[in-house]
Amino acid sequence: DQQVKQNSPSLSVQEGRISILNCDYTNSMFDYFLWYKKYPAEGPTFLISISSIKDKNEDGRFTVFLNKSAKHLSLHIVPSQPGDSAVYFCVPQGAQKLVFGQGTRLTINP
Amino acid sequence: GAVVSQHPSWVICKSGTSVKIECRSLDFQATTMFWYRQFPKQSLMLMATSNEGSKATYEQGVEKDKFLINHASLTLSTLTVTSAHPEDSSFYICSVLGLYEQYFGPGTRLTVT
Repeated sequence: DQQVKQNSPSLSVQEGRISILNCDYTNSMFDYFLWYKKYPAEGPTFLISISSIKDKNEDGRFTVFLNKSAKHLSLHIVPSQPGDSAVYFCVPQGAQKLVFGQGTRLTINP
Repeated sequence: GAVVSQHPSWVICKSGTSVKIECRSLDFQATTMFWYRQFPKQSLMLMATSNEGSKATYEQGVEKDKFLINHASLTLSTLTVTSAHPEDSSFYICSVLGLYEQYFGPGTRLTVT
């Protein structure tokens, strides 16, 4: 029962361009959505979040969009930088529990 | 945010032995901590929710007698993998529930030979 799907296991983007990571979910009870970034052999670090009552949240180079009717969210990174290369997890939250997607490995090419 | 440490960062043990992993919240009194497991090229899977002073709540499919969790203080939770087997080899990550979000430790790589 996959409640969260990140259909692109990997994404390669040129430095300076926009990176768009997508996520679909099935549980309409999720009330908060987070994106975590993870480097190999490290724990995830929080990146940005959005409440279910909003459709957009922006923080510097990072913007998250939420389409509740489509149960879809996306993370935009612009401009992309080499340090952004990592695995990104889409993480809906319900009842204080986080449900991790499969992750998308983003590689930023110089 | 909360600073979370784990010890050890990596451990190799023989099949049949037990291994204890510590998770410490260094600057935040954590009533609730979580334990996750991540197999190679897979996502993080929640194993259990640990509440200070009470029994942990395990997710479906996680054996509570095999993965012993103790959360005796507001700054320390431990996960003991008992009678470890090679299939228990994984990356174990703890997190602390802060005011608004979870803060993750750096993880512990367990290899069972």
